[in-house]
Amino acid sequence: AQSVTQPDIHITVSEGASLELRCNYSYGATPYLFWYVQSPGQGLQLLLKYFSGDTLVQGIKGFEAEFKRSQSSFNLRKPSVHWSDAAEYFCAVGSMIKAAGNKLTFGGGTRVLVKP
Amino acid sequence: GAGVSQTPSNKVTEKGKYVELRCDPISGHTALYWYRQSLGQGPEFLIYFQGTGAADDSGLPNDRFFAVRPEGSVSTLKIQRTERGDSAVYLCASSRGTGGDGEQYFGPGTRLTVT
Repeated sequence: AQSVTQPDIHITVSEGASLELRCNYSYGATPYLFWYVQSPGQGLQLLLKYFSGDTLVQGIKGFEAEFKRSQSSFNLRKPSVHWSDAAEYFCAVGSMIKAAGNKLTFGGGTRVLVKP
Repeated sequence: GAGVSQTPSNKVTEKGKYVELRCDPISGHTALYWYRQSLGQGPEFLIYFQGTGAADDSGLPNDRFFAVRPEGSVSTLKIQRTERGDSAVYLCASSRGTGGDGEQYFGPGTRLTVT
């Protein structure tokens, strides 16, 4: 069964500093990988996704993520954090079996706090 | 265009009561998903519809939970004999197709509180 681990429950970062959120997954084949952001009172918004090809993926809001098969990781990064990046971030792995659609398995989330 | 909408946004009910949660997907999206997000956790898959049929209901926790999508658009999640442990945010998402690369668009969720 697929699973996703986000080791950091909370991260506090200063505005303007860099941010890296860790994600490790367990899946029997090449996974579809996603990062979502959830702001208070908002729905989940897709930041970026990886399916194949270049292992460094660019997303919205200045985020990027790198797929490392050898480490089963898909870490999210941003070079310079803005106060508006304070939110909860979820890593997810999607099933590749067509009959199962695109069932997502989410990690537990990492809450990011941004200090002025 | 309009995104995924869910009603009600909040629902408070007493233990043992029946509730219905509604999801309006993005027009033209054939795939629809329900997830449940408990406090402090990531969303957990409940059920997936492709058109009118439930293609995968393996995430439904027990037979008190049921979902329908009779015309392939709006879906209703139904919970019978609610329990306090059912309290959570119920999220709905839709996507264009069944491929693994189909982006899911999430609604704002319905917060269910069972007292």
